[in-house]
Amino acid sequence: NAGVTQTPKFRILKIGQSMTLQCAQDMNHNYMYWYRQDPGMGLKLIYYSVGAGITDKGEVPNGYNVSRSTTEDFPLRLELAAPSQTSVYFCASSYSLAGVTDTQYFGPGTRLTVL
Amino acid sequence: AQSVTQLDSQVPVFEEAPVELRCNYSSSVSVYLFWYVQYPNQGLQLLLKYLSGSTLVKGINGFEAEFNKSQTSFHLRKPSVHISDTAEYFCAVSRFSGGYNKLIFGAGTRLAVHP
Repeated sequence: NAGVTQTPKFRILKIGQSMTLQCAQDMNHNYMYWYRQDPGMGLKLIYYSVGAGITDKGEVPNGYNVSRSTTEDFPLRLELAAPSQTSVYFCASSYSLAGVTDTQYFGPGTRLTVL
Repeated sequence: AQSVTQLDSQVPVFEEAPVELRCNYSSSVSVYLFWYVQYPNQGLQLLLKYLSGSTLVKGINGFEAEFNKSQTSFHLRKPSVHISDTAEYFCAVSRFSGGYNKLIFGAGTRLAVHP
């Protein structure tokens, strides 16, 4: 049981480049989330998904896109990288029943730098 | 709207001393409360959570927290810290929005344990 896995661990992008951050979980969780962590700011929710085929925006969705074609995978896409997207990105998952969300399990993070 | 305030951004402490990390939240409704720990270069890991019942919650690694509804606080405590407790600690409150519970994180408290 690997839990939540993320790739890559580190990445440097040039302004305007695009990339996809991968996230997978093997716990059969229905909910998945993407957060970004900036120094001194805690975690901000970018996008979330309540099940395959269903996604919605979080607090800071601009500049990002997501898809959820399977229960296991929840990739995050950056189309036109900007320096403001330099951050550490965390994927998380949880199991929710009847609207009550339990513990979120986090991946190890992807450290992204945009120059 | 719910928010979470962690009153100390950094807490230095000597090994084997007690520690308290403070967290206050704002909410007019019942909440779920969480403490997560982030060790250097790792993802977040759940320390403990309050969903209902006893206001004193025990977590992993000897940590505990007390839910105080009248003071809207959920302070984290440990009677004797170790060097290995050096990490960043995040308080979070669960907010019901859009049909499910989202986590709102505080900005974090960096605990530095010195020998």
